[in-house]
Amino acid sequence: GENVEQHPSTLSVQEGDSAVIKCTYSDSASNYFPWYKQELGKGPQLIIDIRSNVGEKKDQRIAVTLNKTAKHFSLHITETQPEDSAVYFCAASTGGFKTIFGAGTRLFVKA
Amino acid sequence: EAGVTQFPSHSVIEKGQTVTLRCDPISGHDNLYWYRRVMGKEIKFLLHFVKESKQDESGMPNNRFLAERTGGTYSTLKVQPAELEDSGVYFCASSQLLNSPLHFGNGTRLTVT
Repeated sequence: GENVEQHPSTLSVQEGDSAVIKCTYSDSASNYFPWYKQELGKGPQLIIDIRSNVGEKKDQRIAVTLNKTAKHFSLHITETQPEDSAVYFCAASTGGFKTIFGAGTRLFVKA
Repeated sequence: EAGVTQFPSHSVIEKGQTVTLRCDPISGHDNLYWYRRVMGKEIKFLLHFVKESKQDESGMPNNRFLAERTGGTYSTLKVQPAELEDSGVYFCASSQLLNSPLHFGNGTRLTVT
């Protein structure tokens, strides 16, 4: 079945450094790739998304890149801050009814 | 606008008991989804409603799980009888359109002892 692999499972960075999280999807029909941030005690919240007709999207300190040929997409956070500490999930959707999630990356930003 | 709300936030029950989780989606969102996350693993799809109809329930683990969405508004997910492996965080999400961002509730943490 469809799946999304996400790495690393845990990432620790110094405040101000960059963080990169990588995902690979299996269903070549996937055309929508959202990223969610989950803080303690809350549900996942959308932080950025990208559709298959573009290769890169940026929103302030957050950027996402997509390589459809390799079926890879990545989240880049620059100038990390302690409040960026959370669990991040990548996901892929075919435009149908089901969004497939990765297993999550726990990001620690050390002050 | 009010977000997706879930009740209860936590539930601890014994194996063999019954639990019912409730989700109130964002008003006007026809699409309602149930997901589950078991410790450290992916957020796994359970099922999807469009209004009151079950569009896809391929992720439901077995017939101990029953989801309803009467009148196309709030939804309930009942587990009967609960087993130890049902423990996890159950998330509800809603969206206005297909293939648009999901809006998640804060989840219900279910512990079966």
